[in-house]
Amino acid sequence: DAGVTQSPTHLIKTRGQHVTLRCSPISGHKSVSWYQQVLGQGPQFIFQYYEKEERGRGNFPDRFSARQFPNYSSELNVNALLLGDSALYLCASSLAPENEQFFGPGTRLTVL
Amino acid sequence: QKEVEQNSGPLSVPEGAIASLNCTYSDRVSQSFFWYRQYSGKSPELIMSIYSNGDKEDGRFTAQLNKASQYVSLLIRDSQPSDSATYLCAPSWDNMRFGAGTRLTVKP
Repeated sequence: DAGVTQSPTHLIKTRGQHVTLRCSPISGHKSVSWYQQVLGQGPQFIFQYYEKEERGRGNFPDRFSARQFPNYSSELNVNALLLGDSALYLCASSLAPENEQFFGPGTRLTVL
Repeated sequence: QKEVEQNSGPLSVPEGAIASLNCTYSDRVSQSFFWYRQYSGKSPELIMSIYSNGDKEDGRFTAQLNKASQYVSLLIRDSQPSDSATYLCAPSWDNMRFGAGTRLTVKP
C-alpha cells in the first residue's frame, strides 16, 4: 500500500504570496492532520480533519486554512506568506483521530 | 501545565548500550501511547504503539507503560549509530501535541 503522499516536495515563494499544499492519506484513513516544523522544534499542530470536518485547530493565524475532500485528501492553504512561514509542512493520516498517525515526507517551504 | 512531559535530552549513549527514553503524563482514563522516530530533515516515523499496561517488545525496542506511576518509556537495546535521531512520544487522547522530543546520539 502507498503511504501518505504530499506535493510539492519543495516550494519557494516570496513574501505576500499564497501557497497550497496537498496531501493524500493512506487508503482507508479518514483523518488528516497538518503540522509545521521548524528546525529544532517538534511538529506544531495546525489542523486536524476527520470525515471532512475540522476536528481541531492549533494556534495559527487565520492566514492558514485547510479542507478535506470527499476522497479524504486534503489541502493546506497559507495566504500572505511571511518569512517566518518557512518550514517543513507535514501531513499525517490515521484511521481515526485517536489512532496512530503516519506521516508523509513533507513539503519544504521557503519564503524569500 | 503540559499533560505529557518528555525528557528533553539530549541523550548520548555508546554503541551497544541501552538507551532509555521517558514520558510522564497526567492522569487520563484512556491511555495509549505512540512513539515516533525522526531523523534530521525527515518526517516522523511511527515505531511503537502501546495500548495496555506492561511491556511491548519489537526487536530491539521495548515500550513500557506504567499507568500507576503515569509514565511510558522506550528502551532501545544494543543501540546502534543508526538509532541516532529525535524520539517523540504522543498519547492517543492528544496525539497532535508533540513536544520537542528527546534527541538521542549513539556514539560508535
